[in-house]
Amino acid sequence: EAGVTQFPSHSVIEKGQTVTLRCDPISGHDNLYWYRRVMGKEIKFLLHFVKESKQDESGMPNNRFLAERTGGTYSTLKVQPAELEDSGVYFCASSQDGTGPSDGYTFGSGTRLTVV
Amino acid sequence: AQSVTQLDSQVPVFEEAPVELRCNYSSSVSVYLFWYVQYPNQGLQLLLKYLSGSTLVKGINGFEAEFNKSQTSFHLRKPSVHISDTAEYFCAVSDRRRRDDKIIFGKGTRLHILP
Repeated sequence: EAGVTQFPSHSVIEKGQTVTLRCDPISGHDNLYWYRRVMGKEIKFLLHFVKESKQDESGMPNNRFLAERTGGTYSTLKVQPAELEDSGVYFCASSQDGTGPSDGYTFGSGTRLTVV
Repeated sequence: AQSVTQLDSQVPVFEEAPVELRCNYSSSVSVYLFWYVQYPNQGLQLLLKYLSGSTLVKGINGFEAEFNKSQTSFHLRKPSVHISDTAEYFCAVSDRRRRDDKIIFGKGTRLHILP
């Protein structure tokens, strides 16, 4: 079974540019989560999709961040325009319907975003 | 709301020595407890979890953690570390009331194994 796949693994962009991160969950996983770790700080929740619907987007920092999950499969997280403070590692996780951290929750390897 | 405190940002320890990584949490609701590990250039991997029952939980790679409700702690221990344990370790919680709820992480503790 393929795991959670994220790409790119690294991205370096200039302030003001746009970047799109992609997450492919494990096939059949309805739940998809985005997290972010800014350097030196804790990993923070951004949002949670159930299929194509946003279940919880309370962690999204501001309206420069747009997450989508077309057709309930892969998800994209777009940052437009990127600011220096957006630098960090963006993690994606997925789980089956009705499950979560306590049972079968798989993380991807993350995308390291550097805004210069 | 929940929060997780990992008091040590870095812990150096000699190879084959024991180690304890400390974790305290705060929550107004009952939570599940987790330790995750991130090896260099890899993603997050679950080390162990406490759901219910015995307060001593055993995980992968010889790690164990003990849940202490009165002290709201969930410290991670290993009796003898190996160079391959070099990684960053994250304590985390999630709300028991919703199984698909998000995870709240601590800031992480970097474990440095000294030869």
